[in-house]
Amino acid sequence: AQSVTQPDIHITVSEGASLELRCNYSYGATPYLFWYVQSPGQGLQLLLKYFSGDTLVQGIKGFEAEFKRSQSSFNLRKPSVHWSDAAEYFCAVGPFSGGYNKLIFGAGTRLAVHP
Amino acid sequence: DGGITQSPKYLFRKEGQNVTLSCEQNLNHDAMYWYRQDPGQGLRLIYYSQIVNDFQKGDIAEGYSVSREKKESFPLTVTSAQKNPTAFYLCASSIDIGPGANVLTFGAGSRLTVL
Repeated sequence: AQSVTQPDIHITVSEGASLELRCNYSYGATPYLFWYVQSPGQGLQLLLKYFSGDTLVQGIKGFEAEFKRSQSSFNLRKPSVHWSDAAEYFCAVGPFSGGYNKLIFGAGTRLAVHP
Repeated sequence: DGGITQSPKYLFRKEGQNVTLSCEQNLNHDAMYWYRQDPGQGLRLIYYSQIVNDFQKGDIAEGYSVSREKKESFPLTVTSAQKNPTAFYLCASSIDIGPGANVLTFGAGSRLTVL
């Protein structure tokens, strides 16, 4: 069955430090992959997406993610974290099932940023 | 600016009452979705609709109902049959075909609390 795993429930980093959020998926073919960010009490905003081609994907707010097929991973990275990056981050996989497009979301990683 | 408007932001319900959450979009998207978010569980799909006057059950449709009488609107009713309705509800939309159909635009959410 298709699934998405985000191994880290909570991560705390210092402002200015680098960040890597992990995402592993289980899927039978090449997936479409996404990272969304959610500020408290708000909806989700798309950070970046991978459909095909270059496996290193650039997104908004200085984030990037790398698709590694051999590891079934799509980790999110940022070289220098800002206090405003504190939020919850969701990885999602887009399979095609039953004729409609349905995303499967991971459980999320909550990021705290220390000054 | 185009987007998705959800109302109300906060809603309190007594046990045994039905409540309706509003979702309106002006993105001209064909597909609309309702997700439920609980802490530590990511997002779970309740219902989705790819076209006016048609909708399909998602993974957790029991105790919920929807309608799609207009392209712009996709209201969700939480009925008294939903055993644990306290949650954060997110409405989303997308184009209907191609890879972009996996790119969801989300509203700001509605928080429902059962008293």
